[in-house]
Formats: sequence, structure tokens, C-alpha cells
Amino acid sequence: DVKVTQSSRYLVKRTGEKVFLECVQDMDHENMFWYRQDPGLGLRLIYFSYDVKMKEKGDIPEGYSVSREKKERFSLILESASTNQTSMYLCASSSPGPIQPQHFGDGTRLSIL
Amino acid sequence: DQQVKQNSPSLSVQEGRISILNCDYTNSMFDYFLWYKKYPAEGPTFLISISSIKDKNEDGRFTVFLNKSAKHLSLHIVPSQPGDSAVYFCAASITDSWGKLQFGAGTQVVVTP
Repeated sequence: DVKVTQSSRYLVKRTGEKVFLECVQDMDHENMFWYRQDPGLGLRLIYFSYDVKMKEKGDIPEGYSVSREKKERFSLILESASTNQTSMYLCASSSPGPIQPQHFGDGTRLSIL
Repeated sequence: DQQVKQNSPSLSVQEGRISILNCDYTNSMFDYFLWYKKYPAEGPTFLISISSIKDKNEDGRFTVFLNKSAKHLSLHIVPSQPGDSAVYFCAASITDSWGKLQFGAGTQVVVTP
């Protein structure tokens, strides 16, 4: 069965800290995505990657960066965490092409104090 | 500015009746549409999709209708069951965009006995 695993379900960090969110998929998918989910706004794309070491900005990349050194792993980095980055973060993966649905992890609830 | 809009944040329906969820989009370049379902503390799961070359797609109790001229799609669930209580997200994609999705804000469906 398809599996996307996010390393933490809940995370609490302090303002200014560098935060790493990890995501691993076991489906050999080329595409991987990071979203944040906020009430009333749905899911918004932060960054995506269509191959190892390749990355593209999504709709809200400010304050974030990503790393994809291996095909199965996609990391989201908050360079200097701020309170407005408190959110639910969701990782997804898919095969190439728009007709391939994305498979999501269960999310990381991140709180920045 | 959100390109995919779900204007009803919530919907309550009796078990056995029809649930109708609506979604509007503004970008005429979108040519593939998906619905995802999300339970609390879980990631979204793919439900059903439709290409812009069709106006209807059916999968068991779930049917999606697409009206391109109105830039509108809807999801019908018949009959509604208690297990359908969840948040439903509408999403849209453009071919050759690496499968990037634009999501709506979601509609919370509650199915009552």
C-alpha cells in the first residue's frame, strides 16, 4: 500500500529557530510536494520537487526552503521560524502527470511560540 | 487570490439523502479536477477526478459533474452515509504543470442519522 510518512505528528518550536520537517515516501514517486493547511484557506503549495535535487517554488515559498537529496525523501526547512508559520504541514507524492493523484502523509501540526 | 473556491464551509445532510458539494474556479487553463476527502488527524485521500474533456464521472456513490462554461464543478454523494462525514477539498490542475494542484478551502460535511 502507498505510504507517505512525516517524521512528526506534533512539533513545538520557538521563534527564530531553524526547523526541519521530514517526509519519506515508499512508492518511488518522482514528484513530491509540501503544503500548509490553514482554516478558510485550504491547502497552499509551498514547494515541490519533480526529481532529485530539483525544486520549484509554489504559491507561498517565502520563509521556507526545501531539500531533496534522495528520491524518497523531501525535507521542508523553516530558516527562522516565526509565529505566522504555525500551521498544519502536509507532504504529498505522486507519479508524473496531472492525472496521477497525490498521496498525502498524515501531517505535522507545527506550533511556533 | 484563490483560483479555486468552495463557498460553502459546511453542509449537514441526513443519512440516505444526497450531498451536493460545489466548487468554482477562475483559471480557464485548468483542465483536470479532483476531489479529496479528509478525516481529522489524517492526510487527504483522493476520491474522484474528472478531465475537462468530460462533463461527468461516476464511481460508486460518488459522481462529479463539470460545467466548463460556468467554471463550476460539483460532487454528488448518493446515498450519504455517516462515514462520509469529513472535509472535502476540490482541487484543479493544468496539464504539464508537474501535477501541481490548486485547492479550495474545503467543505465540512456532517451526515446525521
